[in-house]
Amino acid sequence: QVQLVQSGAEVKKPGSSVKVSCMASGGPFNKYSFNWVRQAPGQGLEWMGAIIPIFGTPNYAQEFQGRVTITADDSTRTTFMELSRLRFEDTAMYYCARGPVLPVGVVLVPKYYFDYWGQGTLVTVSS
Amino acid sequence: EIVMTQSPVTLSVTPGERATLSCRASQSINNNLAWYQQKPGQAPRLLIYGASTRATGIPARFSGSGSGTEFTLTISSLQSEDFAVYYCQQYHNWPPLTFGGGTKVEIK
Repeated sequence: QVQLVQSGAEVKKPGSSVKVSCMASGGPFNKYSFNWVRQAPGQGLEWMGAIIPIFGTPNYAQEFQGRVTITADDSTRTTFMELSRLRFEDTAMYYCARGPVLPVGVVLVPKYYFDYWGQGTLVTVSS
Repeated sequence: EIVMTQSPVTLSVTPGERATLSCRASQSINNNLAWYQQKPGQAPRLLIYGASTRATGIPARFSGSGSGTEFTLTISSLQSEDFAVYYCQQYHNWPPLTFGGGTKVEIK
C-alpha cells in the first residue's frame, strides 16, 4: 500500500527557510516523480516543482526558481522541499504528490498527474 | 504557460442529479488532463487521468471526456460524499504544470 507521510507543521519568520520532508512507502521509490504542490488558505493548487529520483535533476516552476530546492534520498525513500527567503504569502499547506513514470519502448516517460498525495504540511510565515 | 479555466465556479446540485463540470485549456493539451476531488481538510484525490481514464477505485458514476482544449467531468448521480471542490490539471506542457481554479459542487 502506497503512503506518502510528510513532516509536521512549521512556523517560520519572514526571510527564513523551511524544509519539508515526504517519506514514501510501498512501490519502487526511484521510478516515480515526486512533486510539491502548495495551497494557500482558501485558494487553489499551485505546482512548485518535481524530482524523479532515477533521473536526479529537479524541475521547478519559474515562480519559485532560486528560492526552492527539491532533493531525494533513495536510502530513506524521502524527498525534501526547501523554500528560502520566506514571505507572508508563502503561508500555505504544502503537499507532496507522486506521479507515474511509464516505459514507452526503452524510454521512461514521466506522466505528471498525481496518483498519491501526502497528508500536507502547514507552513505558517509569521513575525 | 498553459492557463486552465474551470466553470462554473460553484455548482448547486440536488443529490441524485447529474453534475457537469467544464475545464478549458488556453492551448491544445491533447488528452493530457487529470481531474481531482478535494474535500475540506483533505489532500486532493485523483479521479481521472488521460482525460477519460478512471483512477483505481473511482466509482463508475465519475466520467471524463474531451480532448484538445475542452474537457468535461460528469458525475452521473451525485451522492452525499461527492460534494467537494474539483480541479482539473494539465500535464502536456511543463514546467509549469497548471491547475484550474476549481469548481465547488454544493448541495442545492
